[in-house]
Amino acid sequence: AQTVTQSQPEMSVQEAETVTLSCTYDTSESDYYLFWYKQPPSRQMILVIRQEAYKQQNATENRFSVNFQKAAKSFSLKISDSQLGDAAMYFCANRGGADGLTFGKGTHLIIQP
Amino acid sequence: DTGVSQNPRHKITKRGQNVTFRCDPISEHNRLYWYRQTLGQGPEFLTYFQNEAQLEKSRLLSDRFSAERPKGSFSTLEIQRTEQGDSAMYLCASSLGTSGATQETQYFGPGTRLLVL
Repeated sequence: AQTVTQSQPEMSVQEAETVTLSCTYDTSESDYYLFWYKQPPSRQMILVIRQEAYKQQNATENRFSVNFQKAAKSFSLKISDSQLGDAAMYFCANRGGADGLTFGKGTHLIIQP
Repeated sequence: DTGVSQNPRHKITKRGQNVTFRCDPISEHNRLYWYRQTLGQGPEFLTYFQNEAQLEKSRLLSDRFSAERPKGSFSTLEIQRTEQGDSAMYLCASSLGTSGATQETQYFGPGTRLLVL
């Protein structure tokens, strides 16, 4: 069984600042993948970044990067130079088998202009 | 690339009625997933197909839920005898995956929002 926990229901950040969203997970799989998805209001979910568990190097996509701590089962998302368009629900997800993704409850990110 | 499409986008029905939702995946994608998302929660995995084969259906919420993908292209999700607790957003996702692979990116559709009165 897999679980994903996002302990921050809501986060607020000033435009151009940096914000970190937290995620912890539990899995019995030895080979698994972690994802951050973004769901803007009334729009479809899109992939922000993903991390292969066997890779020690943290994934980076432009302003988005992760801090993957495998032993601690932690997978946080850092957004640098926050922009108004970053406002959305952010979901952390895990996939350890051939099934679908296991999602956390999400963090609502507010960008203050 | 037209993306994943879902129809209808909204559905209002009365308790006890049957409803069917359709998902059209990205054309070359062989895998198709269904999720349910209730208010304030992340999506919950229901079932998935690889081509026309339904490889996992134990996570469907009850025997009132069924899904098909008859020709390995579009898929339908049917809910029989709807209940008020079925009100949710139903999401479809597709991916291009090889056997046993877990790392492929799933692309989501806009969802069908169901309201059961």
